[in-house]
Amino acid sequence: AAGVIQSPRHLIKEKRETATLKCYPIPRHDTVYWYQQGPGQDPQFLISFYEKMQSDKGSIPDRFSAQQFSDYHSELNMSSLELGDSALYFCASSSTVAGEWTQYFGPGTRLTVL
Amino acid sequence: KNQVEQSPQSLIILEGKNCTLQCNYTVSPFSNLRWYKQDTGRGPVSLTIMTFSENTKSNGRYTATLDADTKQSSLHITASQLSDSASYICVVSARTNAGKSTFGDGTTLTVKP
Repeated sequence: AAGVIQSPRHLIKEKRETATLKCYPIPRHDTVYWYQQGPGQDPQFLISFYEKMQSDKGSIPDRFSAQQFSDYHSELNMSSLELGDSALYFCASSSTVAGEWTQYFGPGTRLTVL
Repeated sequence: KNQVEQSPQSLIILEGKNCTLQCNYTVSPFSNLRWYKQDTGRGPVSLTIMTFSENTKSNGRYTATLDADTKQSSLHITASQLSDSASYICVVSARTNAGKSTFGDGTTLTVKP
């Protein structure tokens, strides 16, 4: 079965650079979620989109932005990167078909800021 | 390969009834196991976190158990309410420098009146 695809799987950037993470949800899933997990920490919810509109916002820094496109894939744009942005970034998708709320997580993108 | 498997995939119960969700994992070396509740389109809410030495932990109507020998965990919900309808996700973290987490696919719980 198709799963959530994230790219790239690994990314190394320097401080003050920008990064773009991509997430391709499971086909026919209309909701995408982004999480950030620092070393030894719980995943922190960043933002979610439903039908290309932002549906919920968590602890996403102002330096980050995200959007969901017409094909339902989503991109997380990160600017002015800081050392503290080094983390695993997970994307998850779900379908709002009645009674289905299960989230399916991607493998994550590991971002390292040097 | 680290894996987290949850069952059942979906569950429908009547309001007021109890239910139990299962989580089996192969993450090693084990650090902790967490249960999250997530409503559609919204961020997750942490229910419990359990470490190797903890067998049972309660949070209101939620009770989580952990058997580190068999690598199984359960989340028991008592006296279910309509607001319990959500996805319940089991997340297991490894005891490594990165603390990488492995997510289960979740159990969709629907509570009907």
